[in-house]
Amino acid sequence: QQQVKQSPQSLIVQKGGISIINCAYENTAFDYFPWYQQFPGKGPALLIAIRPDVSEKKEGRFTISFNKSAKQFSLHIMDSQPGDSATYFCAASKGRGSTLGRLYFGRGTQLTVWP
Amino acid sequence: EAQVTQNPRYLITVTGKKLTVTCSQNMNHEYMSWYRQDPGLGLRQIYYSMNVEVTDKGDVPEGYKVSRKEKRNFPLILESPSPNQTSLYFCASSHRDRGQDYGYTFGSGTRLTVV
Repeated sequence: QQQVKQSPQSLIVQKGGISIINCAYENTAFDYFPWYQQFPGKGPALLIAIRPDVSEKKEGRFTISFNKSAKQFSLHIMDSQPGDSATYFCAASKGRGSTLGRLYFGRGTQLTVWP
Repeated sequence: EAQVTQNPRYLITVTGKKLTVTCSQNMNHEYMSWYRQDPGLGLRQIYYSMNVEVTDKGDVPEGYKVSRKEKRNFPLILESPSPNQTSLYFCASSHRDRGQDYGYTFGSGTRLTVV
């Protein structure tokens, strides 16, 4: 059973546009929601993360929106650039309490930003 | 430089020949984990470790073994590799601070081919 569902599988955006990637989860015990960025030939790198006590977190052009009641969270990339072309993964874990270290990933979104 | 180091980067082996992929981190992290990445399936957790001598199964542990005898090292052992274990493998480490989890730092990956 997939713990975190991610969509779309691929996304093509024009330079300067907004990229939006969505994720949904079922387990209400999740309380840590990171996004990872992966370039070809590299390991995933932590991009931004949110905990459910806030509805939005912004770091530069990257924003996470979190909807606790809908059990959904999304990544928005403003003013998308060709250098943002990568695979993006959402993830979720129980950041506090038992089973620490157990991090579940979505299946990834391949983002292509055209110049 | 803070990093997770995996070796080897590439490995081609034959079915049934035992192999070990090494992983080492220099950040004094408590948590370490192994993931495999397959097209369309995202990152799936194989095993994880909360600290020395403490390990637990992830989503796809069959056919793999791990050990955590030292805090910095977390080798992945394939006792009898099979072609369905052909994949891209990532080791990662993380830590806790004031009871909260932080994101995993990933290694550069090991591409394993079993023929």
